[in-house]
Amino acid sequence: AQSVTQPDIHITVSEGASLELRCNYSYGATPYLFWYVQSPGQGLQLLLKYFSGDTLVQGIKGFEAEFKRSQSSFNLRKPSVHWSDAAEYFCAGPMMNRDDKIIFGKGTRLHILP
Amino acid sequence: KAGVTQTPRYLIKTRGQQVTLSCSPISGHRSVSWYQQTPGQGLQFLFEYFSETQRNKGNFPGRFSGRQFSNSRSEMNVSTLELGDSALYLCASRTSGGQETQYFGPGTRLLVL
Repeated sequence: AQSVTQPDIHITVSEGASLELRCNYSYGATPYLFWYVQSPGQGLQLLLKYFSGDTLVQGIKGFEAEFKRSQSSFNLRKPSVHWSDAAEYFCAGPMMNRDDKIIFGKGTRLHILP
Repeated sequence: KAGVTQTPRYLIKTRGQQVTLSCSPISGHRSVSWYQQTPGQGLQFLFEYFSETQRNKGNFPGRFSGRQFSNSRSEMNVSTLELGDSALYLCASRTSGGQETQYFGPGTRLLVL
């Protein structure tokens, strides 16, 4: 069963606006979770990761994510997006019952309006 | 440290041919994973190698195979190419496994005609 889901395939925001990309997980124990970004034709770059401890995680490029166990979510946020943030974003976490295997969400493509 | 490198970056093949892709992990990383990325299916896990042994495998046909060398470099091979094999093939490395972060290479774009 899919253990990481990204409900939004596409998101469009205006430059300078705030951003929240959703990620939901289904996992029995406390999961470890990642957010990656992929620019067109490129590999994936790690934005941030959560393993344990502080539920608010800071990443690169001004991104942060908050782990909320009660909502089974690990949403990615940025207070003010830049045109260069247009890319595809992937949430990743352990496969159900196989924490040595990482599974990726389907991705959310972020479009930025000038 | 140098990042994960993949060669070649672009490849065009015809149906029925075979192809070999190469991945050099970050120095010190012993685990290498391969993924296939397509617009329709997203990122799909192919397999993972650790210390020259296949440790995990995804749901791909036997035409997809891989291996890892003693220096942790890895190759994946696709035999009898099909049009549907056109994709971006991504390699990722990490030091060992479990909860460790994977670092990705730029990918090899394969086009099958």
